Amino acid sequence: QSALTQPPSASGSPGQSVTISCTGTSSDVGGYNYVSWYQQHPGKAPKLMIYEVSKRPSGVPDRFSGSKSGNTASLTVSGLQAEDEADYYCSSYAGSNNVFGTGTKVTVL
Amino acid sequence: EVQLVESGGGLVQPGGSLRLSCAASGFTFSSYWMSWVRQAPGKGLEWVANIKQDGSEKYYVDSVKGRFTISRDNAKNSLYLQMNSLRAEDTAVYYCARARIVGARKPTLFDYWGQGTLVTVSS
Repeated sequence: QSALTQPPSASGSPGQSVTISCTGTSSDVGGYNYVSWYQQHPGKAPKLMIYEVSKRPSGVPDRFSGSKSGNTASLTVSGLQAEDEADYYCSSYAGSNNVFGTGTKVTVL
Repeated sequence: EVQLVESGGGLVQPGGSLRLSCAASGFTFSSYWMSWVRQAPGKGLEWVANIKQDGSEKYYVDSVKGRFTISRDNAKNSLYLQMNSLRAEDTAVYYCARARIVGARKPTLFDYWGQGTLVTVSS
């Protein structure tokens, strides 16, 4: 049950794109198409942004997109906006358990 | 509107016990798996436990097995986490979350979260 690996930080200027990786194993990310992504602003609860690798819940802007290749999933935020500055966590189904990533702080320059 | 409101956090000594509660509203509580997720100060999210709609299946992260018990009362629309033998490393904000099982037999995502309750384990 080791945490999924994410880069500690990522940044981009307004309007640019940023991509965050999430690396696991064949027991979690690579074994299932059940990767989800959560956005968390300081002092706030996490918010679901992507589920089943690439699906967006109602209300989430289409600037947010997800993908997966092998044991690595990715979240891309296109057309960065100031309100996108937050921590982002990936999560994967792992059979009887769930596992989260280490988290990535996205800074809008 | 889905609402999840946690309570019961506080300061407890190592080895002590605490019971967290989560009051749910705005959805049919008995139709959903529910979960606890925690976040240590300045750290990332960690899944803690899941419980099936009728309480017949429960799953835990290894670090809390034998010490924590997740339970629910569907008549009261409430989720609980009984925490025993608490350790300093259990210090965290504990979130209650509604879980979904899209495409699988167990939760694959958490679509609504409460605001969390802080548990501090310290002497």
